[in-house]
Amino acid sequence: EIVLTQSPGTLSLSPGERATLSCRASQSVSSSYLAWYQQKPGQAPRLLIYGASSRATGIPDRFSGSGSGTDFTLTISRLEPEDFAVYYCQQYGSSPAFGGGTKVEIK
Amino acid sequence: EVQLVQSGAEVKKPGATVKISCKVSGYTFTDYYMHWVQQAPGKGLEWMGLVDPEDGETIYAEKFQGRVTITADTSTDTAYMELSSLRSEDTAVYYCATGSLGGWFDPWGQGTLVTVSS
Repeated sequence: EIVLTQSPGTLSLSPGERATLSCRASQSVSSSYLAWYQQKPGQAPRLLIYGASSRATGIPDRFSGSGSGTDFTLTISRLEPEDFAVYYCQQYGSSPAFGGGTKVEIK
Repeated sequence: EVQLVQSGAEVKKPGATVKISCKVSGYTFTDYYMHWVQQAPGKGLEWMGLVDPEDGETIYAEKFQGRVTITADTSTDTAYMELSSLRSEDTAVYYCATGSLGGWFDPWGQGTLVTVSS
């Protein structure tokens, strides 16, 4: 079973700043099978990134994903007010699993 | 437009069983897996299992094995998740989510809150 560890737990930033979120896997994950989701309070998660670096339909280009093997990163180049939310990474191999999440909050 | 519409909130007593539905529209139901995900209050996302609507085959997470049953009704394009022997720790929002051909989850249903309380 692959365990995903996200860091930091909380990221306090101001609008316009750059956010860098980390996702580390307990064993190698095929890049094709790593996704990122955004979740706002009271809403379902929304797909942002799949295949480690491909943006989902309608996702602004300020969101980017990178990484391979056991280390993956979600970067938000310039935070907009609507980007303050919780972000989850996920590996979707034979037994899908999510990381614990990173909350991006307004500083 | 692809939509997953889930059934409404439930309140159950400990030991009871809950069955939640997820009705699909906007795509061919049998073309994609349907996953179920649990989210306890203030907590993260936990994958519970999936069903292949094409043939009804299921895969369950070890944590829920023996208590969860996921099914698909192709006559109504609806997936179901049944969780038995409910306990207070099962109080959570439950989401259905379509498993794309590539494997990622998109879209998601709106979620169903299940409260387990005596």
